[in-house]
Amino acid sequence: KAGVTQTPRYLIKTRGQQVTLSCSPISGHRSVSWYQQTPGQGLQFLFEYFSETQRNKGNFPGRFSGRQFSNSRSEMNVSTLELGDSALYLCASSEQGVGTDTQYFGPGTRLTVL
Amino acid sequence: AQSVSQHNHHVILSEAASLELGCNYSYGGTVNLFWYVQYPGQHLQLLLKYFSGDPLVKGIKGFEAEFIKSKFSFNLRKPSVQWSDTAEYFCAVRFGGGSYIPTFGRGTSLIVHP
Repeated sequence: KAGVTQTPRYLIKTRGQQVTLSCSPISGHRSVSWYQQTPGQGLQFLFEYFSETQRNKGNFPGRFSGRQFSNSRSEMNVSTLELGDSALYLCASSEQGVGTDTQYFGPGTRLTVL
Repeated sequence: AQSVSQHNHHVILSEAASLELGCNYSYGGTVNLFWYVQYPGQHLQLLLKYFSGDPLVKGIKGFEAEFIKSKFSFNLRKPSVQWSDTAEYFCAVRFGGGSYIPTFGRGTSLIVHP
């Protein structure tokens, strides 16, 4: 099976702009979770989508949002970008969910906010 | 609050040396425990996991970890490291009694000199 894919791999934006990141899970996986990875904070959970519904949410402001489509592909949107949003954004998929079974991670999207 | 601590932020070893990376968590209830590895330029991937049973868990590439409930620890070990083990290592814990969202430690950067 193909692994988790994320597009784009690299992105440069300026403050105030918005950005959309995409994640395609492993075939058959219905859960997609998003994480923010920074040197100072490590990996922090953003949210999880399962069968097109947000099932869990981390402690991030409302500027961070997501959605999942019927084919399980997921998008994450960040509006009104801030310098502190510069990070590696990781997507992970699993069959039953982040709280149940093993997650498989994608390569990430490196977002730089100038 | 529930937390995960990785006390060694940077570890430098020579090939053939033994490795032990510490992971401690703060929670007295049921936990699921994971170690992930992120090789330079590669995806985060699962090394090993513990859900229940034998507290000594063997993973890929010769790694093992021991769950010591009384010490709230899940330390990662390898008897003899190789240059190819150079990577970032993350401990993650799913805490029971709630949403089971995984909490990651901040990671340990391991450099192995040939």
